[in-house]
Amino acid sequence: DTEVTQTPKHLVMGMTNKKSLKCEQHMGHRAMYWYKQKAKKPPELMFVYSYEKLSINESVPSRFSPECPNSSLLNLHLHALQPEDSALYLCASSLRPAGPQEKLFFGSGTQLSVL
Amino acid sequence: AQTVTQSQPEMSVQEAETVTLSCTYDTSESNYYLFWYKQPPSRQMILVIRQEAYKQQNATENRFSVNFQKAAKSFSLKISDSQLGDTAMYFCAFMKPLAGGTSYGKLTFGQGTILTVHP
Repeated sequence: DTEVTQTPKHLVMGMTNKKSLKCEQHMGHRAMYWYKQKAKKPPELMFVYSYEKLSINESVPSRFSPECPNSSLLNLHLHALQPEDSALYLCASSLRPAGPQEKLFFGSGTQLSVL
Repeated sequence: AQTVTQSQPEMSVQEAETVTLSCTYDTSESNYYLFWYKQPPSRQMILVIRQEAYKQQNATENRFSVNFQKAAKSFSLKISDSQLGDTAMYFCAFMKPLAGGTSYGKLTFGQGTILTVHP
């Protein structure tokens, strides 16, 4: 199994809603990442988890709350989002916290629309 | 700060022909790594090829090869025998090691080049 699975594939939410994005991998990877990608733009790193601990937060607003309950699962909890938060949210994993020798495996993303 | 520039927003090529995508970058680091990622319509980011800056030999992966010119800070991707499945957005990306030798997956991406392969 060499897949990173993200659910849901599409999500529409209002600004007062609370929702969660889920990312799962069963490759034994110990580093997991959240990236945000606006349309026709490159991905931007949001968070990095290393051995289930948050190791990097790229100054992301607190309305985005990551969680890594175990080594296979990564969640992104969403609350009080703004329309400008609409984007593709990509999850990735690597065997170890990525030195450049580590290959990142990406999921297909969750397309989020905030109304 | 590092910057990565892809000057070709869109390119097209006929099936079976060769195409080269350009990438330049700016850094004061001497030790770093460069990548080309492909994002097809499925939107999954797929690593195409990787180059370590300390290696003079250009990386190759089957039909994909790079021309790495460290002094010029240039890192172009050549796709030979183009196939319809190569149609995608291609991102050039840069990663430098942080102290301790790990980079925590922080890739700096260029703006991307949309490649269309025509039959």
